Amino acid sequence: GQQVMQIPQYQHVQEGEDFTTYCNSSTTLSNIQWYKQRPGGHPVFLIQLVKSGEVKKQKRLTFQFGEAKKNSSLHITATQTTDVGTYFCAGVGRGGADGLTFGKGTHLIIQP
Amino acid sequence: NAGVTQTPKFQVLKTGQSMTLQCAQDMNHEYMSWYRQDPGMGLRLIHYSVGAGITDQGEVPNGYNVSRSTTEDFPLRLLSAAPSQTSVYFCASSRIQGARTEAFFGQGTRLTVV
Repeated sequence: GQQVMQIPQYQHVQEGEDFTTYCNSSTTLSNIQWYKQRPGGHPVFLIQLVKSGEVKKQKRLTFQFGEAKKNSSLHITATQTTDVGTYFCAGVGRGGADGLTFGKGTHLIIQP
Repeated sequence: NAGVTQTPKFQVLKTGQSMTLQCAQDMNHEYMSWYRQDPGMGLRLIHYSVGAGITDQGEVPNGYNVSRSTTEDFPLRLLSAAPSQTSVYFCASSRIQGARTEAFFGQGTRLTVV
């Protein structure tokens, strides 16, 4: 079955440093979504990437979808304490109606 | 806006007991799903449904049953609880419009089986 690998599992940064998490699928994806989960909370949708090579930006967050639609990344510039949480990628298979396959997430820990 | 509502928020069960986790959404979404979240394991799909009367298994379906009699409700049943089912359970819903749209998650149910 489809597998989505995400690295790193944990990332400690100083406030103001940049952060990147990477996601890689074992199969070609229809699209990929990114979610953020604050400690004790539930996942909240950030963005969806659909097109090969797509790049989207949300303020300090930059999301990329690989040319082969098998990998993706999330980059945060100049982290702030409000960025603390776990970031998940979730792949949708080519069938479209299948469930989301989540990576295990990257826990972002920010030291002031 | 209610969105996705899960009940209960917390539950303690004894091994062998049964219970139903409730999930309701008011956004008229076709797609609903259940995930469990365990430390270091991320979110794993248990069951999903693409519409009323249609359900399918996800990655970890054993020990769980679901039904989808209406668009709004998607309950998850634990037939005979086991300690391995101690987890946080999330229900989610989304539209299906060609490519999948964003998933809206409920607040989660923290289940402990003793």
